[in-house]
Amino acid sequence: EVHLVESGGGLVQPGRSLTLSCTAPAITFEPNAMHWVRQVPGKGLEWVSGITWSNGEIGYADSVRGRFTLSRDIAKKSLYLQMNSLRAEDTALYYCAKDTKISDWALRSWGQGTLVTVSS
Amino acid sequence: DIQMTQSPSTLSASVGDRVTITCRASQSINNWLAWFQQKPGKAPKLLIYETSSLESGVPSRFSGSGSGTEFTLIIGSLQPDDFATYYCQQYNTYPWTFGQGTKVEIK
Repeated sequence: EVHLVESGGGLVQPGRSLTLSCTAPAITFEPNAMHWVRQVPGKGLEWVSGITWSNGEIGYADSVRGRFTLSRDIAKKSLYLQMNSLRAEDTALYYCAKDTKISDWALRSWGQGTLVTVSS
Repeated sequence: DIQMTQSPSTLSASVGDRVTITCRASQSINNWLAWFQQKPGKAPKLLIYETSSLESGVPSRFSGSGSGTEFTLIIGSLQPDDFATYYCQQYNTYPWTFGQGTKVEIK
């Protein structure tokens, strides 16, 4: 099973910025796409953003579009989420996730998550 | 954006029960629907992909069906390890979206 490692979470004040990173050091082939999914403690899952690895097409949830920017480094097998203008409602556990089958894009591999807390 | 409406939000059942969870998409998703199981403190686990394909290693009591905009997850005979929260998710079009989740509780 391919493991993903997230980092960059922490406590940040409202209006400030934070950048999350996700690495997949053990992967030997490119995924179809990689994503961020978040979860407010005790609440449901929310897909945040994803990037198609081959062509760089990016999607964002309405709740973060215009504030969050997703990027990737193919050589480093890494995914980044730059989060600007953070709000209290962005407080959540942020998971990095990816597919592992060329023929199907479902999210089979997940990290353990990095916690982002937005508070003054 | 495609909205995913999942029901029920909570379900009380006993070991051995047959459990059905439904998910409705606001438009066609070409069967690109996945079901996940999540337990407290753990990352989600993929159970079903492409509407009805059972993920490797997942017990055969789990099954998925549907087409168009209506989808179903069935647990054929509920086991103690199955008490968890279940989510559907469409991966047809960005932005991808999850259902609100169904918590399966012990009756």
